Amino acid sequence: LAKTTQPISMDSYEGQEVNITCSHNNIATNDYITWYQQFPSQGPRFIIQGYKTKVTNEVASLFIPADRKSSTLSLPRVSLSDTAVYYCLVGDIRPGGGADGLTFGKGTHLIIQP
Amino acid sequence: NAGVTQTPKFRVLKTGQSMTLLCAQDMNHEYMYWYRQDPGMGLRLIHYSVGEGTTAKGEVPDGYNVSRLKKQNFLLGLESAAPSQTSVYFCASRPLSSYEQYFGPGTRLTVT
Repeated sequence: LAKTTQPISMDSYEGQEVNITCSHNNIATNDYITWYQQFPSQGPRFIIQGYKTKVTNEVASLFIPADRKSSTLSLPRVSLSDTAVYYCLVGDIRPGGGADGLTFGKGTHLIIQP
Repeated sequence: NAGVTQTPKFRVLKTGQSMTLLCAQDMNHEYMYWYRQDPGMGLRLIHYSVGEGTTAKGEVPDGYNVSRLKKQNFLLGLESAAPSQTSVYFCASRPLSSYEQYFGPGTRLTVT
């Protein structure tokens, strides 16, 4: 499984756009990139997933450069309720792809201030 | 749908006692997972299952056993609890055709 590196923590303010970058230098051809969000005392929640270029949903955008050695989760106009831990996961999660159990790591603790 | 449920929500054990944590999902998902989360450590995978009757070891399997006798249930057992197993335990499931894991609310276990 590809090892990921994320900042331990980040701070921002309400209304700002926040970008969290994840490095995964040894990503394999069949690996996908998935991001989860976790609030205190809750289980993680899936945010977004992608393979290359850009993916956007109602919550966030995911930018993946051509070499796929990093990815950036973009949260537009954050609010206080976006304070959470964000995890980047990388692995081949197709059936039989070998990443049936992905490793979450320590994630990035995002703190949004008023 | 209830999604993923975990029983119990809280438990205190004495060292050496045994217990079983139950995870149930009503979404007909093939994959199920058990994680533990300790302060500052993120989530670490204990065991997982890719289908009924199958289990596999994750990152930190020692001291735990699992069983998946029914597709909807995934049991995590501690045969002889140790203080190092004090943690919050999360169960998750996902379907074969999706990358998204659905998590339960967690079980807070304290071993004294």
